[in-house]
Amino acid sequence: EVYLVESGGGLVKPGGSLRLSCAASGFIFSNYNMIWVRQAPGKGLEWISYISYTSNYIYYADSVKGRFTVSRDNANNSLFLQMNSLRVDDTAIYFCVRPNRDGPLHFDSWGQGVLVTVSS
Amino acid sequence: FLLTQPPSVSVAPGQTASISCGADNIASQSVHWYQHKPGQAPVLVLYDDSERPSGIPARFSGSNFGNSATLTITRVEAGDEAVYYCQVWKSGDGHPRGVFGGGTKVTVL
Repeated sequence: EVYLVESGGGLVKPGGSLRLSCAASGFIFSNYNMIWVRQAPGKGLEWISYISYTSNYIYYADSVKGRFTVSRDNANNSLFLQMNSLRVDDTAIYFCVRPNRDGPLHFDSWGQGVLVTVSS
Repeated sequence: FLLTQPPSVSVAPGQTASISCGADNIASQSVHWYQHKPGQAPVLVLYDDSERPSGIPARFSGSNFGNSATLTITRVEAGDEAVYYCQVWKSGDGHPRGVFGGGTKVTVL
């Protein structure tokens, strides 16, 4: 069974930084591209980042481009999201997501999410 | 590229709920659907317009024609109450990205 466990969330002041981690198990992590999705309070789901299995291809939503950096460590089955210059509107639950391997991407497996609160 | 969903749908138990997801020529995209209950991780209920992942009951079905994709839930149960999101993966324009609809709250009366 696929397990994705996020960590690293918490309360941070505007302009601050936070690094999220996602520990993956139950599948061959190095064979899969990975995704981050977030949900702000009372809002819908928002895709924010994609990283290919080799880290050769990385994409971001316009809302986080230039502030967030996604990375991975295939040797340790881990996905990361470095979040800098955080804003109040970055407050959200952040989900680590494994998409399908082939074809138009859909999001097969989700972690439980980790809460990030940006507030002074 | 925007995906438009109705904010809410209400349905009596045992009846059928239909949730639309609209965009220009959406039929040219593969549309996927997620069920999201409060405090839980979203769950994929349909992919590639109408395919069901293992464990998803046959009461969930989908279609995609013209400018609208539809998720249909037949014989609705209390446990189906959730927010449902459609999603596509946009690529081919040099800016690959995931796009979600705004979500539809399904209320079981």
